[in-house]
Amino acid sequence: NAGVTQTPKFQVLKTGQSMTLQCAQDMNHEYMSWYRQDPGMGLRLIHYSVGAGITDQGEVPNGYNVSRSTTEDFPLRLLSAAPSQTSVYFCASSYGHGGGYGYTFGSGTRLTVV
Amino acid sequence: QQQVKQSPQSLIVQKGGISIINCAYENTAFDYFPWYQQFPGKGPALLIAIRPDVSEKKEGRFTISFNKSAKQFSLHIMDSQPGDSATYFCAASRISPSGAGSYQLTFGKGTKLSVIP
Repeated sequence: NAGVTQTPKFQVLKTGQSMTLQCAQDMNHEYMSWYRQDPGMGLRLIHYSVGAGITDQGEVPNGYNVSRSTTEDFPLRLLSAAPSQTSVYFCASSYGHGGGYGYTFGSGTRLTVV
Repeated sequence: QQQVKQSPQSLIVQKGGISIINCAYENTAFDYFPWYQQFPGKGPALLIAIRPDVSEKKEGRFTISFNKSAKQFSLHIMDSQPGDSATYFCAASRISPSGAGSYQLTFGKGTKLSVIP
């Protein structure tokens, strides 16, 4: 049981480039989400999905796109990378999306935009 | 607008001591309050959680105390060990203001705990 798998672990992008951060879970979880973690800022929600075909914006969605075509996968797309998007990105999933469901986090993708 | 305020930012505790991390919230719509533990280079992991109808929850050396009227909750780590050295995040969950029936989990900014021998 792999849990939540994120790839790549590290990435360096040039300003203006695009890329997709991959997230896959094998726990048949309905709910998946993307957070970014910046020093002194905690974890901030970017986008989330409550099931295949359903996504919604979180606290800091600008510059990012998501889609959810399958239960297992929830990729995060950076359309035109900016230095402000330098961060550690975490994908998380849970069985349900109501209160009381613990999140399982991936090990993160460290992104640097130069 | 910071919805969940966490303090202190960092904490140094002697081995065997009690570590206390505090969080406060404003929005009474929050209905679930988990704590996450994060080791360097890893993703956060659920440690313990509480609902607002309970004043205290204990799991091993970890206890959450919850004060609904003051809108505050805290994590107590008894007999702190060097292996507890990590960053701790409090969080609060509520129905998303934009999605029908969907929930959002909002995190505090984290507390870096160092337990020294």
